[in-house]
Amino acid sequence: SQQGEEDPQALSIQEGENATMNCSYKTSINNLQWYRQNSGRGLVHLILIRSNEREKHSGRLRVTLDTSKKSSSLLITASRAADTASYFCATDPYNNNDMRFGAGTRLTVKP
Amino acid sequence: DSGVTQTPKHLITATGQRVTLRCSPRSGDLSVYWYQQSLDQGLQFLIQYYNGEERAKGNILERFSAQQFPDLHSELNLSSLELGDSALYFCASTQEDFAYGYTFGSGTRLTVV
Repeated sequence: SQQGEEDPQALSIQEGENATMNCSYKTSINNLQWYRQNSGRGLVHLILIRSNEREKHSGRLRVTLDTSKKSSSLLITASRAADTASYFCATDPYNNNDMRFGAGTRLTVKP
Repeated sequence: DSGVTQTPKHLITATGQRVTLRCSPRSGDLSVYWYQQSLDQGLQFLIQYYNGEERAKGNILERFSAQQFPDLHSELNLSSLELGDSALYFCASTQEDFAYGYTFGSGTRLTVV
């Protein structure tokens, strides 16, 4: 079964704008990860945030984690056309070994 | 190149047939995971192996099986194929502490006709 659920399902913005995607999950986790997938390609790991962390930055990416609300957000600042892709959150349920992915947010950045 | 190698990249086969997908994990990674992604869908976890042993099982059909060999490469066997099995099949590997997340291969696109 899926663990993470991304919101919105699709997002369209202009280049230079910020993009925010949200992820909700159901069970306690060890960590939460965000991945990017260009159409038909493999997933690329973007960032991992552990359950005892609240915020993490990597370049133009900012991830927050609220374990009390079982939610996370991914912010991409100053978006570029090359950021057009699907973004997935994945959770590593506590005491489980398998990562569960949501259905993803499809981001389109218009030049 | 992510370091995870999947072969073949594309596979077209007829219903009822059997195919084998192969994955070589990134050097040093002991865990291998298999995922299925149908068109415009999220990833469905199928199965995980760790150092040759099955560790976790997801939504894997009885027609599907997998194994991990002593050299740590893994194979996913799909039998009695149906049209609905057409999908992208991804393999991923990771370090024990997920320090760098999952490293995905580029996938095998299976088309059942």
